[in-house]
Amino acid sequence: DQQVKQNSPSLSVQEGRISILNCDYTNSMFDYFLWYKKYPAEGPTFLISISSIKDKNEDGRFTVFLNKSAKHLSLHIVPSQPGDSAVYFCAASEGIRRKLQFGAGTQVVVTP
Amino acid sequence: DSGVTQTPKHLITATGQRVTLRCSPRSGDLSVYWYQQSLDQGLQFLIHYYNGEERAKGNILERFSAQQFPDLHSELNLSSLELGDSALYFCASSVEPSGTDTQYFGPGTRLTVL
Repeated sequence: DQQVKQNSPSLSVQEGRISILNCDYTNSMFDYFLWYKKYPAEGPTFLISISSIKDKNEDGRFTVFLNKSAKHLSLHIVPSQPGDSAVYFCAASEGIRRKLQFGAGTQVVVTP
Repeated sequence: DSGVTQTPKHLITATGQRVTLRCSPRSGDLSVYWYQQSLDQGLQFLIHYYNGEERAKGNILERFSAQQFPDLHSELNLSSLELGDSALYFCASSVEPSGTDTQYFGPGTRLTVL
């Protein structure tokens, strides 16, 4: 049962434009959400997180938005850079049960 | 570099065999998590250890087992290997399993079962 879904397997965006990655979840008990970036042959790298008590968290070019009523979160990357080309995973966890539930990932390609 | 190390990087073995994957967490981290990433699936949580004790189990097969040692390194043992066990196995660590603790991932071990 996939509780975290990333419905777009890929996204192509021009350098300098905004990348918007979407993630939906079904478990209303999730209270902590994270985005990870993964390059080939490397492990996932933590990018940004948000607690369910917030609806927005910003870190440099990366902003995560959380809409609890819609069980939806998104990651905005502005401006997109070629080095942002990677697979992005959305993940969620519930309370002190720290196991992360991951989405299937979105491959982002930033073109010059 | 996340500070989490995993060995070996690659492992090729035959069906029916047994292998051990090793993970060293970041300095100071007490929690270790194991994940499996198969070709057609995302990252699947396998098991979580905190300070030597098992804390949570996910979709881990009975043929698989893990432990965390007093020096906090962890090993994932996979036995009676099948072709379908071919995957990337990631270890992650965090300071403690509570609150908004972030997990940091190692580079992974690629297991190929022939």
